[in-house]
Amino acid sequence: AQSVTQLDSQVPVFEEAPVELRCNYSSSVSVYLFWYVQYPNQGLQLLLKYLSGSTLVKGINGFEAEFNKSQTSFHLRKPSVHISDTAEYFCAVSARSYGQNFVFGPGTRLSVLP
Amino acid sequence: DAGVTQSPTHLIKTRGQQVTLRCSPISGHKSVSWYQQVLGQGPQFIFQYYEKEERGRGNFPDRFSARQFPNYSSELNVNALLLGDSALYLCASSLGPTRQNTGELFFGEGSRLTVL
Repeated sequence: AQSVTQLDSQVPVFEEAPVELRCNYSSSVSVYLFWYVQYPNQGLQLLLKYLSGSTLVKGINGFEAEFNKSQTSFHLRKPSVHISDTAEYFCAVSARSYGQNFVFGPGTRLSVLP
Repeated sequence: DAGVTQSPTHLIKTRGQQVTLRCSPISGHKSVSWYQQVLGQGPQFIFQYYEKEERGRGNFPDRFSARQFPNYSSELNVNALLLGDSALYLCASSLGPTRQNTGELFFGEGSRLTVL
């Protein structure tokens, strides 16, 4: 079984400042890793994913994440945030064997302040 | 191309009633999954269907059931509704176990169920 921890439930940050949203996971098998964003009253949109290869993954809207196997982490970063980045961010894992039973973290609410 | 579509978008039911939620996957996707997202929490896996067969089930009571049709659309049924069933129900589609599958799920905008 897999589990996901997002250590920060809320992250306030000023516009144009950098931000890091933390994600740690546990799993007894190899996993794929994902970050999804959810804007108010909407579904989930994929930001980026790590399947294999380079541990630094670039996604949409200027976000990137780094997979660290030894620390079982997949932290999300953006060097300069915008007001429009205000949303809920979810880290998720799925086992590499087909099943795609995604396990989501509890989410981090990013609030970008003017 | 159309994304994942879900209906209805909002609905209100009373305790004890039954509800059916519908989902149409992205064209070409053969796998549909259902997730429950309670306010303030991450989505929780309910069911996965592929080629009309159940491939996975989360830790939900038997009041929850689903099916997938030959055109790969899906329905989620919840019987004997409880207040705690109030949530956003998300449908997600994917290609299924193919070499083209990049592993991600594509989500619809959800059906928001309120149980009074």
